Amino acid sequence: QKEVEQDPGPLSVPEGAIVSLNCTYSNSAFQYFMWYRQYSRKGPELLMYTYSSGNKEDGRFTAQVDKSSKYISLFIRDSQPSDSATYLCAMRTLSGGSYIPTFGRGTSLIVHP
Amino acid sequence: GAGVSQSPRYKVAKRGQDVALRCDPISGHVSLFWYQQALGQGPEFLTYFQNEAQLDKSGLPSDRFFAERPEGSVSTLKIQRTQQEDSAVYLCASSLLNRESNTEAFFGQGTRLTVV
Repeated sequence: QKEVEQDPGPLSVPEGAIVSLNCTYSNSAFQYFMWYRQYSRKGPELLMYTYSSGNKEDGRFTAQVDKSSKYISLFIRDSQPSDSATYLCAMRTLSGGSYIPTFGRGTSLIVHP
Repeated sequence: GAGVSQSPRYKVAKRGQDVALRCDPISGHVSLFWYQQALGQGPEFLTYFQNEAQLDKSGLPSDRFFAERPEGSVSTLKIQRTQQEDSAVYLCASSLLNRESNTEAFFGQGTRLTVV
């Protein structure tokens, strides 16, 4: 079993829909939680990060962390065709020397007009 | 440059050939990561540098994979005697090192390696 599990999709939604993307994890030492967006043939770009449990909002995006359930979510409101991409969750510990992010496999999102 | 630069963007290698992939991180970034991303998968960690020191190479799949960062800036990932299962996108990322808070890892566009 991988440390970070993420449903690969694809997830297809109409423009304007609310999208919910999720990851579960097994390592209770993870403290920083990140969401990256990756367009086809591009490198991942950071969308949001949160520290420990709670919510964080940035425009149309809300990141949510529930450490008790080892479950994180990214919500996208008023989804647009330009949001079509693969969304990768990533997480890392605070301690230790290397702070290496561990990634999920990504969820492919398609927003159709 | 403004971002992480990787070269070449695309590489086709015959099975058994050696390849070298280059990463130019953002100037001043202490941390440098290499990841391997197979089709339809998330990035898998290969190795990590802090300046010129390779602090973690636990993700390198075999001794055919070797990475270096001799002056703490540019890094090279070398794969010897390439095999078909090495076909993937190789991503490089760099970041500042800040133990007190999260610092963003900036990714390059990757090198797509195809072994034929």
